[in-house]
Amino acid sequence: GAGVSQSPSNKVTEKGKDVELRCDPISGHTALYWYRQSLGQGLEFLIYFQGNSAPDKSGLPSDRFSAERTGGSVSTLTIQRTQQEDSAVYLCASSLAPTGGYGYTFGSGTRLTVV
Amino acid sequence: EDQVTQSPEALRLQEGESSSLNCSYTVSGLRGLFWYRQDPGKGPEFLFTLYSAGEEKEKERLKATLTKKESFLHITAPKPEDSATYLCAVQDNDMRFGAGTRLTVKP
Repeated sequence: GAGVSQSPSNKVTEKGKDVELRCDPISGHTALYWYRQSLGQGLEFLIYFQGNSAPDKSGLPSDRFSAERTGGSVSTLTIQRTQQEDSAVYLCASSLAPTGGYGYTFGSGTRLTVV
Repeated sequence: EDQVTQSPEALRLQEGESSSLNCSYTVSGLRGLFWYRQDPGKGPEFLFTLYSAGEEKEKERLKATLTKKESFLHITAPKPEDSATYLCAVQDNDMRFGAGTRLTVKP
């Protein structure tokens, strides 16, 4: 597609439920990133995929968070047993290469609300 | 630890009133400093990459500059459509973002 596509755009879930967020990056972009943005906060790095290499999971806040990237394309971020503090906008981005001289291309995000 | 601090948090300007946004950073090995624009309900949109002190980049009413410790985003004669949150990010081994400056330009 022409840009990074994320779904759903909004998700309201009950505390304790699991959620899956999807990211479809730009075709041909080998690097894919997940960030979290809370109100008034900067973007918080979560996880990074580069090609077939093992992902950099250093930003995942707890073991309730996991992500996978199938076939080097679509990625899914899963949050298990959601908590209210998980409420945020989850942003996915992709780039041609890790150093991203042209920056990252972001999707519009998924706004997650845990009630 | 790498840090990125943006100031001010919010800035209100009249149309045509030029100003600057600041991004100060500490990073062990700067591989690039990035500026993004973010509109409400959207993801950040890439504006510039700067790599070394003294470098400048321009796009329409925006000019980004870089020193060894900070970057400025200068906005000349802003228009209401320049209203957005401007994010700065530094890349070492990963990309670390500041909290942004929320710019409002009144007609």
